[in-house]
Amino acid sequence: GENVEQHPSTLSVQEGDSAVIKCTYSDSASNYFPWYKQELGKRPQLIIDIRSNVGEKKDQRIAVTLNKTAKHFSLHITETQPEDSAVYFCAASRGTGANNLFFGTGTRLTVIP
Amino acid sequence: DAGITQSPRHKVTETGTPVTLRCHQTENHRYMYWYRQDPGHGLRLIHYSYGVKDTDKGEVSDGYSVSRSKTEDFLLTLESATSSQTSVYFCAIQREGREQYFGPGTRLTVT
Repeated sequence: GENVEQHPSTLSVQEGDSAVIKCTYSDSASNYFPWYKQELGKRPQLIIDIRSNVGEKKDQRIAVTLNKTAKHFSLHITETQPEDSAVYFCAASRGTGANNLFFGTGTRLTVIP
Repeated sequence: DAGITQSPRHKVTETGTPVTLRCHQTENHRYMYWYRQDPGHGLRLIHYSYGVKDTDKGEVSDGYSVSRSKTEDFLLTLESATSSQTSVYFCAIQREGREQYFGPGTRLTVT
C-alpha cells in the first residue's frame, strides 16, 4: 500500500515568517493530496488539496506544490499568525471512487508571537 | 461540521467487552470512513463503506467490524475490546469532489 512520510515532525517559526512542510509518497498511482489542520482536541479540518493534474494551488496565505516525478508535495504558509499553530497532516490517495487516504504522521507547527 | 455526528464522544470500557461507535450523517453521502488516530501514527483507515451494506477493510481492520444498514449511519464495532484499541476514532464522509470531512471524534479508553 501507500506510504506517506512527513517532515519535520515539529516546526517553530516567528510570527510573520513562512513555514514549509514536506511530504513524500511511494505509490506513483496516487493522484489526490489533501492537507488537514488539527487543533488540540478538535477534528482534522481540510485546508487545501491538490490533484495530480496541477503542480501548484494557492488559497490566500496557503499554497501546495506537487512534484509527481519526485513523488513529493509541500505545504507553504506565508505570513504566519499565532492562530496557524496546530498539527498539520498530509495525505495521499489513488481512488476514483472510494478515496482511501493514507496520512503522514503530522507536523506540529508553533508560531511564536 | 459537514453534518456529521459521532456517539458517544467519550467512552471508558473494560478489556473483553464489546463496544459500538456510531457515525451519523445528514447529507446522504455515499462514502463513509472510520479512522483511528494515535500519537506517532497520524490517522489510519480501519474500514470504509461505499453504500448501504457495502463495506471493505482498510489498513488496520483486525479486531473491528462495521455495518451500514442505512445511508446515514455507519457503525464501528469492537467485538472484544483490547488495550491496544485505546484511541481516538474519527468518522469521515466523502463529498462528490473526493474531499473528506471528519466528525468530532470519539475518545475510547480500554482499561
